[in-house]
Amino acid sequence: QQPVQSPQAVILREGEDAVINCSSSKALYSVHWYRQKHGEAPVFLMILLKGGEQKGHDKISASFNEKKQQSSLYLTASQLSYSGTYFCGTEIIRKSYNTDKLIFGTGTRLQVFP
Amino acid sequence: NAGVTQTPKFQVLKTGQSMTLQCAQDMNHNSMYWYRQDPGMGLRLIYYSASEGTTDKGEVPNGYNVSRLNKREFSLRLESAAPSQTSVYFCASSGPEGTASLKLFFGSGTQLSVL
Repeated sequence: QQPVQSPQAVILREGEDAVINCSSSKALYSVHWYRQKHGEAPVFLMILLKGGEQKGHDKISASFNEKKQQSSLYLTASQLSYSGTYFCGTEIIRKSYNTDKLIFGTGTRLQVFP
Repeated sequence: NAGVTQTPKFQVLKTGQSMTLQCAQDMNHNSMYWYRQDPGMGLRLIYYSASEGTTDKGEVPNGYNVSRLNKREFSLRLESAAPSQTSVYFCASSGPEGTASLKLFFGSGTQLSVL
């Protein structure tokens, strides 16, 4: 039930782009993206609800393909501050208005060098 | 504005000992969660509570119990700690009802070692 993330690790130079993928074996209600820096708690980046919308946050954006049960996170013109581990979280069903059972992938470690 | 507060931050237990990890949020959130994080495994859901008075199992509930004491507090109990429960534990919350973006807010984590 855990979503699969790829790649497991990415090494970039400042200014380069990266794509992180997240795929599920089950139909999804929503996909969340979080970033965690070493020794810190995960921090929310964005949420995509079923409907296929694409969201953006500075130079970080994401898409959600319901039919393929996949989401991708796009990091453009990477900065040193982008370094960290990125997790997707998937929600299969929502019984109420609140976020329900959120299952995370194993993460993608991103390192950006000068 | 404290957000999500977890206690303790560090704990060392001997095998067989019991303990309770405390979590409280001051954002009037409905949903609360307990995750554990191990190297290479990502964040794995132990238990969650979608609303006050309800709790549900996550991916790895064995060896744990939870209590949603009230809307603010969600505790995680290890009845008989085992070395396999050595991990970093994160509490999180989301809501309240009516918000468009139901993102999770995480506490700072508890580093637990079981010897």
